[in-house]
Amino acid sequence: DIQMTQSPSSLSASLGDRVIISCRTSQTVTTNLHWYQQKPGKAPKLLIYRASTLPNGVPSRFSGSGSGTDFTLTISSLQPEDFATYYCHQSHSLPLTFGGGTKVDLK
Amino acid sequence: EVQLVESGGDRVQPGGSLRLACAVSGFTFSDYWMHWVRQDPGKGLVWVARINNDGSSSSYADSVKGRFTISRDNAENILYLQMNSLRVEDTAVYYCVRASDNWGQGTLVTVSS
Repeated sequence: DIQMTQSPSSLSASLGDRVIISCRTSQTVTTNLHWYQQKPGKAPKLLIYRASTLPNGVPSRFSGSGSGTDFTLTISSLQPEDFATYYCHQSHSLPLTFGGGTKVDLK
Repeated sequence: EVQLVESGGDRVQPGGSLRLACAVSGFTFSDYWMHWVRQDPGKGLVWVARINNDGSSSSYADSVKGRFTISRDNAENILYLQMNSLRVEDTAVYYCVRASDNWGQGTLVTVSS
């Protein structure tokens, strides 16, 4: 199984801050790495797919980078609606696996 | 608009069974692999099962293998998860997921005596 190590597990930030979340996989997933945002009581929402592609409707302050085993999600300027938990996810091989999540809250 | 709507979640005793359903619309269901993913209350996401686009192939997490069965009806645009021999640790919100992009709202399964 591909292990996913996401860091940090939580962070406190202020509005307008640049936020970077890391995800490392135990073996290569090429670019089959995706990022989700989840708010309490809601389903995860796709933010980035294939490591760096934004789906339609996702604000451009979100960006993703990386390939192989090391990936990052960057929020360039944190907005009030961005306080949530973020998960990375690999679809390279079964079993599909997820990172443990990064909770972003207000400093 | 892509929509996935799960149903069938309930409270059941250990050893019991449930069948979850996910009705989809807004896309050609038979073009996509589908997954079930679960989330323990307040915890992370765990993949449960997947099925290919025509239903001829499926895979399962070790924790549910032999107890759960994923299936689909491409004529009715519905994905299913038959859950047998349920355990307390199967308690979770169950999501149906299209490929890795669209998620339903989830349905809660509680296994408790």
